[in-house]
Amino acid sequence: AQSVTQLDSQVPVFEEAPVELRCNYSSSVSVYLFWYVQYPNQGLQLLLKYLSGSTLVKSINGFEAEFNKSQTSFHLRKPSVHISDTAEYFCAVSGGGADGLTFGKGTHLIIQP
Amino acid sequence: AAGVIQSPRHLIKEKRETATLKCYPIPRHDTVYWYQQGPGQDPQFLISFYEKMQSDKGSIPDRFSAQQFSDYHSELNMSSLELGDSALYFCASSLAGRGQHGYTFGSGTRLTVV
Repeated sequence: AQSVTQLDSQVPVFEEAPVELRCNYSSSVSVYLFWYVQYPNQGLQLLLKYLSGSTLVKSINGFEAEFNKSQTSFHLRKPSVHISDTAEYFCAVSGGGADGLTFGKGTHLIIQP
Repeated sequence: AAGVIQSPRHLIKEKRETATLKCYPIPRHDTVYWYQQGPGQDPQFLISFYEKMQSDKGSIPDRFSAQQFSDYHSELNMSSLELGDSALYFCASSLAGRGQHGYTFGSGTRLTVV
C-alpha cells in the first residue's frame, strides 16, 4: 500500500514569485509519481509524471518536479507563478497495480497580485 | 485526441433514489478506475476494472456497484442515495491494467443528492 503526504494545505505566494509544493510518499514497492492540477469546478488534469529515467520532470507550463528516492519526495516547483496558476494541486502515487492512484490531500495554491 | 468521457456532467437526485454514472475510456484503454471526491477532499479510489473483470476494490459502499462492458465502458450504479453521496465522481482509464503510462481522467460527474 502507498500513502502520500502533502504538508501544506494552502500556499499563498505573490505573482511572479517562486513556489514549491511539497509531497512525500511512502511505499513498499517501486512507484510512479504524478502531479495533478484541478481548477475550480473542473476535473483533474495531469501536470507531470515520473515513471522512470531522469529524476527531474518538467511540464509545458513551467512546472517541474524532482523525484528523490532517498527522501521519498516529489516536490513541485515553479520559478515564477502567474494568477492563472491558482488551483488545487494533488500529488499522487501508484504502484502500477490495479488499485490506481493514491492521492494526497491537496495543496491550494493561492496567487496574490 | 479522444479523452475519457463521463456522463452526465451533472446529476441531481433525491435521497433514496438511484443513479447511474457512465464512463467511456480512451480508445484501446482496457482498465477503468472510479474515484469519489467529496467537497474539499482528495479523490478516493472506489473500484477498478481490467478486461471487464473487477480488478480492485477501495472504499466503495455496498449500495454501489459497477461493471465494465464488452466495449470497455463502465457504469457506476448507486442505490439508496444518501446526502453524503454528494460528490464529484471521476473515472480514469489506463492501458493494460497498470498505470506505468499514466492515468487519464474524465471531467467528472457532479452528483448532488437533495
